[in-house]
Amino acid sequence: DTGVSQNPRHKITKRGQNVTFRCDPISEHNRLYWYRQTLGQGPEFLTYFQNEAQLEKSRLLSDRFSAERPKGSFSTLEIQRTEQGDSAMYLCASSLEGQRTYEQYFGPGTRLTVT
Amino acid sequence: AQRVTQPEKLLSVFKGAPVELKCNYSYSGSPELFWYVQYSRQRLQLLLRHISRESIKGFTADLNKGETSFHLKKPFAQEEDSAMYYCALSGGYGSSNTGKLIFGQGTTLQVKP
Repeated sequence: DTGVSQNPRHKITKRGQNVTFRCDPISEHNRLYWYRQTLGQGPEFLTYFQNEAQLEKSRLLSDRFSAERPKGSFSTLEIQRTEQGDSAMYLCASSLEGQRTYEQYFGPGTRLTVT
Repeated sequence: AQRVTQPEKLLSVFKGAPVELKCNYSYSGSPELFWYVQYSRQRLQLLLRHISRESIKGFTADLNKGETSFHLKKPFAQEEDSAMYYCALSGGYGSSNTGKLIFGQGTTLQVKP
């Protein structure tokens, strides 16, 4: 296990198209987070899964965004009818319940460009 | 409101000079504070956390609850310290907390030879 992986690493799409990103967390980690990072800003929380349950969604996550984590393993983030404002780096992170500390391990991110 | 503020976008120092990256936070409760670092072309990774009170790569950070600050310090900067540094807080885990991180805007540390 080499850590959190994300695919694709880069995605260019036209406005109005749908896109889907995948995150594979560290295998034993049951907590999974999605963040979005725009240029010059720190990552912003989007949503959180504990196992397969989506327990928190940010108000940043509009109706065009949906995330799933079937069977509590990998997760997907789908954006429908993309807009130019969706252009950003989408980061996934995972952590293990029961850890004494709250360290999250981040993936390399998926950079989305909406033209 | 939960917020993390890093007032400096860029901090440029010479090798061997002391470094202090500032971080202030706003949170109702007892948050956990972290510093994350992103080196060029690498992923975001944890540098240190306040509860462990340890020194990592010569960096230390002390939580000052009175001033709501968690500044990152290093007495002698090295060129390999050049990176983007993010201060972050978490409300922890519990019935109403999910461990999500709230990040500051980040400070680019540039260490010149």
